[in-house]
Amino acid sequence: DAGVIQSPRHEVTEMGQEVTLRCKPISGHNSLFWYRQTMMRGLELLIYFNNNVPIDDSGMPEDRFSAKMPNASFSTLKIQPSEPRDSAVYFCASSSLAGRGGELFFGEGSRLTVL
Amino acid sequence: AQSVTQLDSQVPVFEEAPVELRCNYSSSVSVYLFWYVQYPNQGLQLLLKYLSGSTLVKGINGFEAEFNKSQTSFHLRKPSVHISDTAEYFCAVSERNRDDKIIFGKGTRLHILP
Repeated sequence: DAGVIQSPRHEVTEMGQEVTLRCKPISGHNSLFWYRQTMMRGLELLIYFNNNVPIDDSGMPEDRFSAKMPNASFSTLKIQPSEPRDSAVYFCASSSLAGRGGELFFGEGSRLTVL
Repeated sequence: AQSVTQLDSQVPVFEEAPVELRCNYSSSVSVYLFWYVQYPNQGLQLLLKYLSGSTLVKGINGFEAEFNKSQTSFHLRKPSVHISDTAEYFCAVSERNRDDKIIFGKGTRLHILP
């Protein structure tokens, strides 16, 4: 398997623009997680899905952030409008046994810079 | 809700010396505990995990960790570090039989000195 695939790897945009980050989980995994990593706050859980259904979005910073999982093989994280404080590395991770101590498999991340 | 505290943001250590990275957690129920490693410009990968049974857990690359329920700790150790161990290390916790949420600490950056 190719692992968790994220795109784009790097994104530079201007404040106010819409940003869409994409994730393809490992085939057969039923849980998908979005994390944000910054120097100040470390690795924060934004939202996670089970069987394509959002379970907990309490970590989503505000209404500018939204996430979808239309099918088992694809998820998006959208920021609209983007702001400089959204600059971070966004990670997607998937798992087949998350609720039973299973391993998370991470993508390589999408580094977002908002000017 | 669960939480994780990594007490050291950076740990410098000389090559071939032992190292301990500290992790404390908080939860009202039983937990699963994990250590992940992140090499520069990469995603995280699992080092080791504690699910149940023996409190001493061995992982990849010579690392081990010990679960201490009374002290709510899960410290990571290696008897002799190498330059290739330079990375950031994250402790994580999830609540057993509760939900799938996995919460990470802020990470500890391990600097190996020559």
